[in-house]
Amino acid sequence: DAKTTQPPSMDCAEGRAANLPCNHSTISGNEYVYWYRQIHSQGPQYIIHGLKNNETNEMASLIITEDRKSSTLILPHATLRDTAVYYCIVRVGDFGNEKLTFGTGTRLTIIP
Amino acid sequence: DTGVSQNPRHKITKRGQNVTFRCDPISEHNRLYWYRQTLGQGPEFLTYFQNEAQLEKSRLLSDRFSAERPKGSFSTLEIQRTEQGDSAMYLCASRLRGPENTIYFGEGSWLTVV
Repeated sequence: DAKTTQPPSMDCAEGRAANLPCNHSTISGNEYVYWYRQIHSQGPQYIIHGLKNNETNEMASLIITEDRKSSTLILPHATLRDTAVYYCIVRVGDFGNEKLTFGTGTRLTIIP
Repeated sequence: DTGVSQNPRHKITKRGQNVTFRCDPISEHNRLYWYRQTLGQGPEFLTYFQNEAQLEKSRLLSDRFSAERPKGSFSTLEIQRTEQGDSAMYLCASRLRGPENTIYFGEGSWLTVV
């Protein structure tokens, strides 16, 4: 699986949009971009994923650049409960390596 | 609650003892995974099953570790002769086979070896 690069930490004011970047310059054409987050002492929580197109769900939006070498996770109205470590992961869909390779992620702190 | 259940949630054991963790995946999820996470690090892959078959094991899974999924439903992870370095959170995850099907994680089982 391709490696990803994320900033180690970010702050965001409560109520504002949190934009978390991720670089995955060696991503292959069949690799998806997944985002998970982990709140202290809990298991990783799935947020969103995408292949080529931008995606939106009830939690967040995922913007993938046209060349697919980077992406941004957007939490539109951050709350204190969004404070967590956010992981950007790329993986092949179904017939490749099954393991998710987590880096150290971005520690997002929402400021009241 | 993702539907992946892990027990026990916390375990303190003395060095040299054996411990076993259980994972109940989301019903009908045919793929099941075990990960390990130490403080300050992201989760690391240990092994995965498709139904009852263990298809991949990480080199992190030493001979003291064994995982089973006897009937393709729940799974157990046993650590024999525990060492202090085994102290970590052990995460279970599951998904349906399919290129876009998401992997869902449980809340993890914390192991402290004293």
